[in-house]
Amino acid sequence: NAGVTQTPKFQVLKTGQSMTLQCAQDMNHEYMSWYRQDPGMGLRLIHYSVGAGITDQGEVPNGYNVSRSTTEDFPLRLLSAAPSQTSVYFCASSYGMSAGNTIYFGEGSWLTVV
Amino acid sequence: EDQVTQSPEALRLQEGESSSLNCSYTVSGLRGLFWYRQDPGKGPEFLFTLYSAGEEKEKERLKATLTKKESFLHITAPKPEDSATYLCAVHALVFGKGTRLSVIA
Repeated sequence: NAGVTQTPKFQVLKTGQSMTLQCAQDMNHEYMSWYRQDPGMGLRLIHYSVGAGITDQGEVPNGYNVSRSTTEDFPLRLLSAAPSQTSVYFCASSYGMSAGNTIYFGEGSWLTVV
Repeated sequence: EDQVTQSPEALRLQEGESSSLNCSYTVSGLRGLFWYRQDPGKGPEFLFTLYSAGEEKEKERLKATLTKKESFLHITAPKPEDSATYLCAVHALVFGKGTRLSVIA
């Protein structure tokens, strides 16, 4: 079982460049989400999706776009990278958002914007 | 607004020295209090979910408990391999900043 797979693992971008962080899960989970983790800030929710075709904003959505065309994939797009987006990004998935649905996390994507 | 506060930020224990981590929360209707373990360079790994006050769950040297305002993660006779950051979250959406646990042999 692959679980939640994120690519790339590491990426360096120049300010203003765009890129997409890929996330795929093979557990047929309806709920997928993206978090960023910064020192002293904990995990903060960027965007989430409760199913194909449905996305919503989390706590820190500015500068990021998402789409959910399939159940399996939930890419995160940085439209014009800024140094403030230097962070570790985690994709996660679960059967749903209700209580009892364990969230499974990917291994993370380390992004540096210079 | 849902909030989660974890304490202490960091905890250093000798091997075998039991202790507890605290997670205080403020939510409008709890639908699950989650505990995760995170190793350096890795994603969080699920440990427990608690739903109602008075509930307890155990896994090896870890026991999680829940009241109406806080949850505790009790670590009994810890070993160096228990060293990690422990995260708690409500509704699996709002996370605390974590407690960084170091267990020294």
